[in-house]
Amino acid sequence: GENVEQHPSTLSVQEGDSAVIKCTYSDSASNYFPWYKQELGKGPQLIIDIRSNVGEKKDQRIAVTLNKTAKHFSLHITETQPEDSAVYFCAASRGAAGNKLTFGGGTRVLVKP
Amino acid sequence: EAQVTQNPRYLITVTGKKLTVTCSQNMNHEYMSWYRQDPGLGLRQIYYSMNVEVTDKGDVPEGYKVSRKEKRNFPLILESPSPNQTSLYFCASRNGQGGQPQHFGDGTRLSIL
Repeated sequence: GENVEQHPSTLSVQEGDSAVIKCTYSDSASNYFPWYKQELGKGPQLIIDIRSNVGEKKDQRIAVTLNKTAKHFSLHITETQPEDSAVYFCAASRGAAGNKLTFGGGTRVLVKP
Repeated sequence: EAQVTQNPRYLITVTGKKLTVTCSQNMNHEYMSWYRQDPGLGLRQIYYSMNVEVTDKGDVPEGYKVSRKEKRNFPLILESPSPNQTSLYFCASRNGQGGQPQHFGDGTRLSIL
């Protein structure tokens, strides 16, 4: 089955700096890659996703890149703000529907004012 | 407001005492799923349901049961809970049409003593 590895497990950045989280996946048939943000006491919330027919996607300060050949994808947050502090999860799934998501282990991001 | 509602949010109980965690969604979603979240392991899928009366095992189904008698409800049943089922549990739902993301509830923290 699919295996998703996520690094780093914790990340501390100064406000205004960029944060990068990297994930690798094992199943070359995976074609849907969402990123979730989880705040304390809440469920994961989708922040951005990318499909395998696209190499990069951007939404304001957040961007995701996908390298299908190397089987890795990354989340980039620019101009970080204290409210970006949370746990971030990457995931991978086969099929356009994203029914069976395999998650990475999570990255705890702390943005220091 | 579109949401996935889980109850209870917190539960402390003892080994062997049957319990049910309810999950309800008001978005008329076909697909529903249960995950458990453990430190360093991300979220792992327990069971999922593609529609009413259609359920299937995820990656970690042992010790759990589910049912899908109505479209909006997807309860998780622990017939004989054990301490290794102490975890944070999330229910999610998704529109059955291709490409739609999963929406998560706010979680249920179970402690089995």
